[in-house]
Amino acid sequence: GAVVSQHPSWVICKSGTSVKIECRSLDFQATTMFWYRQFPKQSLMLMATSNEGSKATYEQGVEKDKFLINHASLTLSTLTVTSAHPEDSSFYICSTEGLAGFEQYFGPGTRLTVT
Amino acid sequence: AQKITQTQPGMFVQEKEAVTLDCTYDTSDQSYGLFWYKQPSSGEMIFLIYQGSYDEQNATEGRYSLNFQKARKSANLVISASQLGDSAMYFCAMREVPNDYKLSFGAGTTVTVRA
Repeated sequence: GAVVSQHPSWVICKSGTSVKIECRSLDFQATTMFWYRQFPKQSLMLMATSNEGSKATYEQGVEKDKFLINHASLTLSTLTVTSAHPEDSSFYICSTEGLAGFEQYFGPGTRLTVT
Repeated sequence: AQKITQTQPGMFVQEKEAVTLDCTYDTSDQSYGLFWYKQPSSGEMIFLIYQGSYDEQNATEGRYSLNFQKARKSANLVISASQLGDSAMYFCAMREVPNDYKLSFGAGTTVTVRA
């Protein structure tokens, strides 16, 4: 069964509003989670690394004030897209490292459409 | 510089035939891991196969095998006996140990299986 869940699976919001996406690890505690963005027909681009109890580490070019990440517990990380614009419309996927230490488990993704 | 290169944007394969998806990588580290993921139109990332840099033998998982040629820095995925359900996008990814479990993804290859 799925080990990582995301909510919502899809969301439509108006330009200028904020949207929160949740990523939960279901079967184990995850000290580290990763957030990716994927545009249609393109690859996954890592946005940030979310660490439980500390600030997230953002990849170069990702606006930390626009994409707020909170990893408040060992099973939950949230990504908030603030003041969303149509160009933020994308597929957002989270993942977490597996227990064996090499694999990553991915969430099912959240499709965001900003109108 | 691109860490993972997938040169085939799209491929067609006849049902029941085998298909090889190319992947080359670039790293100066001795310890790294190579992954293949399948992404169907639903968007979920499905883990297929893993090859560690120190693994002597090529990894196999059911109909999937990884042709690992370390000196050439290539990690091609072979799907045998293709099925219609294999139609999806396939991503090669690399994790370098010093890079804190981050995955670097290739551009992906879209595979379409024809009946």
